[in-house]
Amino acid sequence: AQSVTQPDIHITVSEGASLELRCNYSYGATPYLFWYVQSPGQGLQLLLKYFSGDTLVQGIKGFEAEFKRSQSSFNLRKPSVHWSDAAEYFCAVGAMNDYKLSFGAGTTVTVRA
Amino acid sequence: GAGVSQSPSNKVTEKGKDVELRCDPISGHTALYWYRQSLGQGLEFLIYFQGNSAPDKSGLPSDRFSAERTGGSVSTLTIQRTQQEDSAVYLCASSSQRGGNTGELFFGEGSRLTVL
Repeated sequence: AQSVTQPDIHITVSEGASLELRCNYSYGATPYLFWYVQSPGQGLQLLLKYFSGDTLVQGIKGFEAEFKRSQSSFNLRKPSVHWSDAAEYFCAVGAMNDYKLSFGAGTTVTVRA
Repeated sequence: GAGVSQSPSNKVTEKGKDVELRCDPISGHTALYWYRQSLGQGLEFLIYFQGNSAPDKSGLPSDRFSAERTGGSVSTLTIQRTQQEDSAVYLCASSSQRGGNTGELFFGEGSRLTVL
């Protein structure tokens, strides 16, 4: 069965600083990987996804993520955070022939001025 | 509608009462999912529909939970004899993906359930 680990429960970052959120997955087949963001009181919005091809993927709002098969990781990065990036971020894994998307526990990001 | 719509957005109920949560997916999306989000937890998979059938009900926590989908569209999640541990945000998502492959899920804003 697939599983996702987000080691950091909470990260605080200064506005304008860089951000990296960690995600490790466990899956026997080639994974499909996703990052979602949930702003307070909102539903989850897709930031980016990886199915195949280039292991560095670009998403919305200036985010990018890199798939590293050897490390079973799919870390999310942003070079310079904005106050509006304060939210909860979820990593998720799925696959071909597997309709289920499994989510990590989430990382809450606080942005300080 | 343009997005996934869920109702009610908030529901407060007394222990032992039944509740119904509704999800209206994006038009044309054949796949529909229910997840539960408890405080400090990730998203817990509850059930998956492809059309009107539910090939995977494995995530339903107990037989007090049931769900149906009619007309390949609206879905209702029913919790009977609610317990305090049922308090959570219930999220619905839909996807246009067919054939059992994971696709992009579009989420509603959720129904927050509080059981007193």
